Amino acid sequence: EAQVTQNPRYLITVTGKKLTVTCSQNMNHEYMSWYRQDPGLGLRQIYYSMNVEATDKGDVPEGYKVSRKEKRNFPLILESPSPNQTSLYFCASSLIGGALDTQYFGPGTRLTVL
Amino acid sequence: AQKITQTQPGMFVQEKEAVTLDCTYDTSDPSYGLFWYKQPSSGEMIFLIYQGSYDQQNATEGRYSLNFQKARKSANLVISASQLGDSAMYFCAMRDLGAGGTSYGKLTFGQGTILTVHP
Repeated sequence: EAQVTQNPRYLITVTGKKLTVTCSQNMNHEYMSWYRQDPGLGLRQIYYSMNVEATDKGDVPEGYKVSRKEKRNFPLILESPSPNQTSLYFCASSLIGGALDTQYFGPGTRLTVL
Repeated sequence: AQKITQTQPGMFVQEKEAVTLDCTYDTSDPSYGLFWYKQPSSGEMIFLIYQGSYDQQNATEGRYSLNFQKARKSANLVISASQLGDSAMYFCAMRDLGAGGTSYGKLTFGQGTILTVHP
């Protein structure tokens, strides 16, 4: 089954404790992206990757890191999480990064930082 | 300027009736894609339907159709024969290249419309 997977689905952590949210897709997509969803602010892009070893900042990159060493994986790293990073996080992928290309989303990761 | 506008925070529809969810967009790019996603209470983001800016015909996917009016910059979602399982938040989104290609690949979302289907 073609899909985007994220792990963990739910995470409660404390301020400052480094964490990684994994994202993997099995559709051979070149483009991958991370979004966060917050009430009243909607979905905002954090980082994106056009291909392996090609990553770039989205609208809200502060406090996050990403890497793209393999085509299928695009982990999101929070080196020192803070409470304002409590959010619902989505990984998404599309065949390419073009305007006419559909992005498919993972199931989401609910992160709470205490 | 807001690029995607959904003016209906909430909508109610009777089961088996049709409902239209409004979406207007703003872009100066000739090439763009318009998308609708469904987010049920469980939280996942489910792709429903896509319309490309060059498409001459309105997109359809089962009970979903997209009423694309390019001159008015609107891309309304029509759900026919509503079902109880259609109750969810619905997002309109757009992908364009942005000024100088700065938003290349990014989806810009509207604020969403909560649809409630009554039995």
